[in-house]
Amino acid sequence: GQNIDQPTEMTATEGAIVQINCTYQTSGFNGLFWYQQHAGEAPTFLSYNVLDGLEEKGRFSSFLSRSKGYSYLLLKELQMKDSASYLCASHGVRGSTLGRLYFGRGTQLTVWP
Amino acid sequence: EPEVTQTPSHQVTQMGQEVILRCVPISNHLYFYWYRQILGQKVEFLVSFYNNEISEKSEIFDDQFSVERPDGSNFTLKIRSTKLEDSAMYFCASSENEGADTQYFGPGTRLTVL
Repeated sequence: GQNIDQPTEMTATEGAIVQINCTYQTSGFNGLFWYQQHAGEAPTFLSYNVLDGLEEKGRFSSFLSRSKGYSYLLLKELQMKDSASYLCASHGVRGSTLGRLYFGRGTQLTVWP
Repeated sequence: EPEVTQTPSHQVTQMGQEVILRCVPISNHLYFYWYRQILGQKVEFLVSFYNNEISEKSEIFDDQFSVERPDGSNFTLKIRSTKLEDSAMYFCASSENEGADTQYFGPGTRLTVL
């Protein structure tokens, strides 16, 4: 099975940096995704990690440690529009579950002025 | 930029009725998915579809549900005899390849069963 944990809520101020953590326990692993979801809208792809290390993409970076079953999403220079739910999701193992994504419950980030 | 589209955006139905949710995946994508999200809960996988057949389905995807690709562009989810607990946001997604490829989500259909 798959178990993905992330904090329920976080708050931060505009211009700050925030790190959203995600831990996963999976029967296999084939990559970890971060999605952003504004209320009532679809998840939007942010980043993907399959190897250990940091992937940087503008104000957003994502880190993965496979040995620790741990990832984080780092958001810099926070803006009000970054207020959203951030979803951690992992792929299944090789075989029939290869395409299926397992999602965490999401971390609701509120950015204050 | 190509995107996944879904219709309708909202669907209200009476318990026991059948509904069909429609999706148009990104044109060069080959793998299609349905997910659902009950209000306040996490996104849950329902089914994946490739080459005109189901690749995988979750325990949620029972005989009440079916999927179809009736033509070269549409991908549909049919829910027979809807129940109150089927009320949720239903998202269609597509990817160019399976495996570690990124899945792109449509805007969703909010289904309300009364």
